[in-house]
Amino acid sequence: GAVVSQHPSWVICKSGTSVKIECRSLDFQATTMFWYRQFPKQSLMLMATSNEGSKATYEQGVEKDKFLINHASLTLSTLTVTSAHPEDSSFYICSAYPGWSTDEKLFFGSGTQLSVL
Amino acid sequence: QKEVEQNSGPLSVPEGAIASLNCTYSDRGSQSFFWYRQYSGKSPELIMSIYSNGDKEDGRFTAQLNKASQYVSLLIRDSQPSDSATYLCAVRNDYKLSFGAGTTVTVRA
Repeated sequence: GAVVSQHPSWVICKSGTSVKIECRSLDFQATTMFWYRQFPKQSLMLMATSNEGSKATYEQGVEKDKFLINHASLTLSTLTVTSAHPEDSSFYICSAYPGWSTDEKLFFGSGTQLSVL
Repeated sequence: QKEVEQNSGPLSVPEGAIASLNCTYSDRGSQSFFWYRQYSGKSPELIMSIYSNGDKEDGRFTAQLNKASQYVSLLIRDSQPSDSATYLCAVRNDYKLSFGAGTTVTVRA
């Protein structure tokens, strides 16, 4: 199956600092990537759709100025959590479809556990 | 109404038994349906996909889809302790994949 690489796996930061998470598609080009967030014992919630070469599309209730998404190449999307606060502590997961068929399966990165102190 | 609903569980089954998981969805235009398995602290792993009404079997797993009833299920036969995890139902509409809250399954040895 397709491989999506995500780094770092976990990060601990102080309140008020910014954290960058990288997501790479290793064996396919991904013009679109998806960023999810998961709080403990809850499901994955789509935060935003990252589009190569254009602005990301954010889901309702997600602050675009707080969660900056950059998709500068066909294989790399980054999510920057700006001025992180303890309530931003969560599991962040990126994902991508290797193709455009409606039968395509979504492949996930390994996730990033963010803990804000 | 949530887009995708699952029984939250937890579901506890003895080793060797059948675990039955259910999922309903609200959007009749949904096109593709998936079951993911997620271990604590890990990202989801795809275990089954189903696109048309009926049953689809893959090893010990069987997915069932009934679009008229907007219902998807997953059966795990001969459950093993290693099957203990949270199972997420996901429904695709266009490019967007919506997830249920997950059902936690515990297989007792």
